Amino acid sequence: GIQVEQSPPDLILQEGANSTLRCNFSDSVNNLQWFHQNPWGQLINLFYIPSGTKQNGRLSATTVATERYSLLYISSSQTTDSGVYFCAVDQTGANNLFFGTGTRLTVIP
Amino acid sequence: DTEVTQTPKHLVMGMTNKKSLKCEQHMGHRAMYWYKQKAKKPPELMFVYSYEKLSINESVPSRFSPECPNSSLLNLHLHALQPEDSALYLCASSQAGQWRDTQYFGPGTRLTVL
Repeated sequence: GIQVEQSPPDLILQEGANSTLRCNFSDSVNNLQWFHQNPWGQLINLFYIPSGTKQNGRLSATTVATERYSLLYISSSQTTDSGVYFCAVDQTGANNLFFGTGTRLTVIP
Repeated sequence: DTEVTQTPKHLVMGMTNKKSLKCEQHMGHRAMYWYKQKAKKPPELMFVYSYEKLSINESVPSRFSPECPNSSLLNLHLHALQPEDSALYLCASSQAGQWRDTQYFGPGTRLTVL
């Protein structure tokens, strides 16, 4: 099956710093989504981004489908950005949403 | 209202108990999902209901039994679970049963099996 790897696995930032999270996938995909899971377990969809670039406030994402990767940018990080960030992909003919390994972000004041 | 609710928030049960997890959404979504998430791991899909019919069952053991009484409700009935079934159980819903649709997740039920 498809492999979805995220890096770095863990990241600690000072509040106000910027960061880039990466998602690599081993095969072509239909779609890619980014999720944030807060420390209490709630998963929130951040972006649906099969290709191109999108921005939402301090967050932006870019997917280069031909090179099989996506990047999530977080600018001016806040403590509320802490949690685990997952990318997830789906493929034609595969009845599943394949989640990546996750990046655990801790933002310290 | 973009909320998916799950009850209970926490559940502790013995291996001989029968319990149920409940999930509810009022967004008019026609697809609902159960995921299982172990600590420090990504969510794993268990079941998908599309238009109140079970469309995907990811080889889940029969001790987990899903039920979709109507388009707003999704239950997960638990019986004779094992300690390794302890996990966070997440429910989600989407407009239709397409993976490109945004999935809205509930807060989860933290299950501990003793």
